Amino acid sequence: EVQLVESGGGLVQPGGSLRLSCAASGFTFSSYWMSWVRQAPGKGLEWVANIKQDGSEKYYVDSVKGRFTISRDNAKNSLYLQMNSLRAEDTAVYYCARDEIQEIDAFDIWGQGTMVTVSS
Amino acid sequence: SSELTQDPAVSVALGQTVRITCQGDSLRSYYASWYQQKPGQAPVLVIYGKNNRPSGIPDRFSGSSSGNTASLTITGAQAEDEADYYCNSRDSSGNHLRVFGGGTKLTVL
Repeated sequence: EVQLVESGGGLVQPGGSLRLSCAASGFTFSSYWMSWVRQAPGKGLEWVANIKQDGSEKYYVDSVKGRFTISRDNAKNSLYLQMNSLRAEDTAVYYCARDEIQEIDAFDIWGQGTMVTVSS
Repeated sequence: SSELTQDPAVSVALGQTVRITCQGDSLRSYYASWYQQKPGQAPVLVIYGKNNRPSGIPDRFSGSSSGNTASLTITGAQAEDEADYYCNSRDSSGNHLRVFGGGTKLTVL
C-alpha cells in the first residue's frame, strides 16, 4: 500500500524549533519529488516547500525562506522539514505529499498530516 | 509569485451540474490540478493535466482550461461531493514552485 505518514508535530513556543518527518512506503521514494503543504486552522492549503529526488534542488514559499529547511534521506525513505524561528502564523496541519512534478504535475499521494501549534 | 483565484463558495442542487473555476496567469502556461478535501481529512487529487482522473475518481468529475482559467466540472453532483475544492499549479516563474488557490466550498443542496 502506498502510504505517507507524518510525525513530529506538537506545541512549541514562538522562536522555537521543530523537525517534522514523513515516512514513505509502497513506492520507490527516491524516484519522486516530495513536498510539504500546510493548512492553518479554518484556512486553505498553502504549499511550503519541495525537494528533487536527489536533494539537489529545493524550493520554498517566500514566507518560510531562511527559517525552514526541507531535506530527505532516500536510504530511510524519509522526508523532513526543519522549522526554526517559528511564529504564530506557522500554526497549521503540515502534510507531506508526493509531488509528481514530472509525469502528471500534481500531488498524487498525501499523508494524514501532523499538527504544529506555535504558542506561548 | 503567482496567485490563483477561486470563488469562496458555490452551491448546486443534487444531481445538477456545477463548475468551479480557478484564475491565474500561471494557467496560461501550466495545467491546474484539483483536490477535494472533506472536513478532518487530507486532500485527494481528483483531476490533473488536460483532463485526467486518478484511479477511483468518478467520471462525473472533469477538468478543462481556457486562457488563464481552469475549471472543475461535476456533472450530476452527489451529496458526497460536498467538500472544499482547491486548484494548484506551478508558479508562473517557470521553476518548481507551487501555488494553491484559496479554495471553494461546495454545498450540495
